[in-house]
Amino acid sequence: AQTVTQSQPEMSVQEAETVTLSCTYDTSESNYYLFWYKQPPSRQMILVIRQEAYKQQNATENRFSVNFQKAAKSFSLKISDSQLGDTAMYFCAFMKHIGNQFYFGTGTSLTVIP
Amino acid sequence: NAGVMQNPRHLVRRRGQEARLRCSPMKGHSHVYWYRQLPEEGLKFMVYLQKENIIDESGMPKERFSAEFPKEGPSILRIQQVVRGDSAAYFCASSPAVARVNEQYFGPGTRLTVT
Repeated sequence: AQTVTQSQPEMSVQEAETVTLSCTYDTSESNYYLFWYKQPPSRQMILVIRQEAYKQQNATENRFSVNFQKAAKSFSLKISDSQLGDTAMYFCAFMKHIGNQFYFGTGTSLTVIP
Repeated sequence: NAGVMQNPRHLVRRRGQEARLRCSPMKGHSHVYWYRQLPEEGLKFMVYLQKENIIDESGMPKERFSAEFPKEGPSILRIQQVVRGDSAAYFCASSPAVARVNEQYFGPGTRLTVT
């Protein structure tokens, strides 16, 4: 079975600062995908970033980057130059390479403080 | 290009009534997924459908819940005889092809409240 753990229920960061959200997962699969989704108060699920496990290079999308440690089964999200619009719930998710469903963590509530 | 559409956005039902949630996938997408989000939790997979076929319903409760994706029209998640524990946000996602199931685009969700 696949499990995703987010050990930080709530975090806060000053505007323009950098914050890192943690995520660990457990799987026996060798190839898979990892994702970070953002859920603002509107509750819309928005894809932030995606990583393929067989790629060693960490994914980057503008101010968002990940630190993927496959051996440690760790997939943290770094948000640089935090903006007020980054305030949201952030969910880490896993999908098998040959699979059709996400396994989500319980989320981290991030508040950006002006 | 319109995104995934779900309606209604909010639905209130009394215990014992039926709830019908609709999902229209993105144009060109033939794969639909339903997820449920209980309060303070992440989304949990319920069912995966292609047109006229249920592919994986391993996350669906065995009783009272059913889903369909007809040849024409939206996908429907149906909950019969709702109970308070069914109160949750229900999200639909769609993807364009079997080879791209990791590209799932989410709708805005339907918040179901059972009174």
